[in-house]
Amino acid sequence: AQSVTQLDSQVPVFEEAPVELRCNYSSSVSVYLFWYVQYPNQGLQLLLKYLSGSTLVKGINGFEAEFNKSQTSFHLRKPSVHISDTAEYFCAVVNNAGKSTFGDGTTLTVKP
Amino acid sequence: GAVVSQHPSWVICKSGTSVKIECRSLDFQATTMFWYRQFPKQSLMLMATSNEGSKATYEQGVEKDKFLINHASLTLSTLTVTSAHPEDSSFYICSASSGFTDTQYFGPGTRLTVL
Repeated sequence: AQSVTQLDSQVPVFEEAPVELRCNYSSSVSVYLFWYVQYPNQGLQLLLKYLSGSTLVKGINGFEAEFNKSQTSFHLRKPSVHISDTAEYFCAVVNNAGKSTFGDGTTLTVKP
Repeated sequence: GAVVSQHPSWVICKSGTSVKIECRSLDFQATTMFWYRQFPKQSLMLMATSNEGSKATYEQGVEKDKFLINHASLTLSTLTVTSAHPEDSSFYICSASSGFTDTQYFGPGTRLTVL
């Protein structure tokens, strides 16, 4: 069994401030890790993914995430956010059988 | 990245009717397609996984006779909600990938409202 916990349901932040969206996971097997962004009434867009190799992963729109195996975490960060980053963010894990599990999402609200 | 389309983007139907939703991968061959359901302000719930030419694998609790999935080609999968009821109203999202553990590319979603 696998699970994903996004520790913050809502994160308000001012424009140009840094932000971290936290994600912890649990799995009895190796998993692949993903972050997606969803804008209102749209599907999900891949931000970044960790499959193997370097634990620091860089994605689109200036986001990055670090895989920490000992803490089973995959936190998403951005050093300076924009109003356009306001959206719902989902952390997900996929196991070797292709089974995907998504977290409950974090609503990032960037204020001017 | 790869593009996945869904049609229709929005549909309203009467209770008891059936609705078909199409999911197409426009620029790559999708050996695996996934169907999700998303309730307002909630996460995605995986309904089923389908491989081209094979029967779909449904998640526990999802009625396969109610949610018919067909993956007849490498670019098209369909989800048919049979005898729809108001509780089936939801946002349905498909995704496509080239393999089980490859990146999933998501469609824009279909909002179904059953009256």
